[in-house]
Amino acid sequence: EVQLVETGGGLIQPGGSLRLSCAASGFSVSNNYVTWVRQAPGKGLECVAVIDSGGSTHYADSVKGRFTISRDNPKNTIYIQMNRLRAEDTAVYYCARGSGSLLNWGQGTLVTVSS
Amino acid sequence: EIVMTQSPATLSISPGERATLSCRASQSVSSNLAWYQQKPGQSPRLLIYGASTRATGIPARFSGSGSGTEFTLTISSLQSEDFAVYYCQHYHYWPPYTFGQGTKLEI
Repeated sequence: EVQLVETGGGLIQPGGSLRLSCAASGFSVSNNYVTWVRQAPGKGLECVAVIDSGGSTHYADSVKGRFTISRDNPKNTIYIQMNRLRAEDTAVYYCARGSGSLLNWGQGTLVTVSS
Repeated sequence: EIVMTQSPATLSISPGERATLSCRASQSVSSNLAWYQQKPGQSPRLLIYGASTRATGIPARFSGSGSGTEFTLTISSLQSEDFAVYYCQHYHYWPPYTFGQGTKLEI
């Protein structure tokens, strides 16, 4: 059974940094695409970053230069390092298997950027 | 960036009725279009990919159609568990793969 579990969310001040983790089971992150999607409170969905099976990364313009997606193959885990956080980055962050159509999703972790 | 526009924003409908949800892309996305269902407090669930292919385990009452810029999600006979928010998403090219703003199905 495929599972994704996100951890690392919390309250952080503007300008701060946070790293989220996405622990995968039931498939290998080394040969799959994984996407981070966020959802601001009461709002819609936004793809923010994707890492492909070859390790190449792609970012939405809204986070480019501030967020970095990476993976640890032995730990079967995907990370997103978020720097220079802004109030508008407040959202539930989901990781999902795939890059286009997203078949499996985690339960999400809430990031709140506020002073 | 391709903009996805869904209509209507809210659809008030009764169980047993047929629901038709629309999604329009600002430029052609071919058939690179997915539909998701999201219930309150839950993660989204993939319903349809490739514009018309049901994901594993999705009931046959859900169907998708369209290509290019105009797409439709049809739920043939609404069940109580279908009341949720539905999002379309293109994956034609990055960056990024954008979602529509969602359609809320309510009783």
